[in-house]
Amino acid sequence: ENVLTQSPGTLSMSPGERATLSCRASQSVNSNYVAWYQQKPGQAPRLLISGASSRATGIPDRFSGSGSGTDFTLTISRLEPEDFAVYYCQQYGSSLTFGGGTKVEIK
Amino acid sequence: EVQLLESGGNLVRPGESLRLSCEASGFTFDNYAMSWVRQAPGKGLAWVSGVSGRGGGTFYTDSVKGRFTISRDNSKNTLYLQMNSLRVDDTAVYYCAKDNRYNYPYFFDSWGRGTLVTVSS
Repeated sequence: ENVLTQSPGTLSMSPGERATLSCRASQSVNSNYVAWYQQKPGQAPRLLISGASSRATGIPDRFSGSGSGTDFTLTISRLEPEDFAVYYCQQYGSSLTFGGGTKVEIK
Repeated sequence: EVQLLESGGNLVRPGESLRLSCEASGFTFDNYAMSWVRQAPGKGLAWVSGVSGRGGGTFYTDSVKGRFTISRDNSKNTLYLQMNSLRVDDTAVYYCAKDNRYNYPYFFDSWGRGTLVTVSS
């Protein structure tokens, strides 16, 4: 199983700041098949990024994904109030696994 | 607009069975693989099972193999999850998720609101 480790567990940020979230895989992810989701309390997850760097339909360009092999990053260039949430990475290169999540909270 | 509506969640005792359903609308159902993803209370997401567009391919995470069965009825645009021999650690919100592709679970571009399964004595 390809285990995904997300760091940090919690990120305390202020609106307008840049947030960088990390996702590290225990094995290289085939074809960089990594997706990122946002989940707010009481809501279903929402797809942000697929294929490590392709934004989903309707996702603002302040969200960007990068990385390859075992190290992947989600960057939010300028945090908006609605961006405070939990973010999960997922790999689909070998079966499917999710990371444990990073909570982005208001400082 | 894609809509996924789960139902069937309930409180059951260990060892009992439950069947979840997910009614889909707003897209051509049999063109896409579908999955169930669960989230235990206060925990992260975990993929449970997936099925290809026509239902010929089914896929499971190891912890549910032999206990859960995924299926779909494309004439009814409905996805199912039959859960047998339920355990306390199966307690979670179960989400129905639409895949981006046809033949194998990849990533999920639409999600339902979830249905809660509680397994407790």
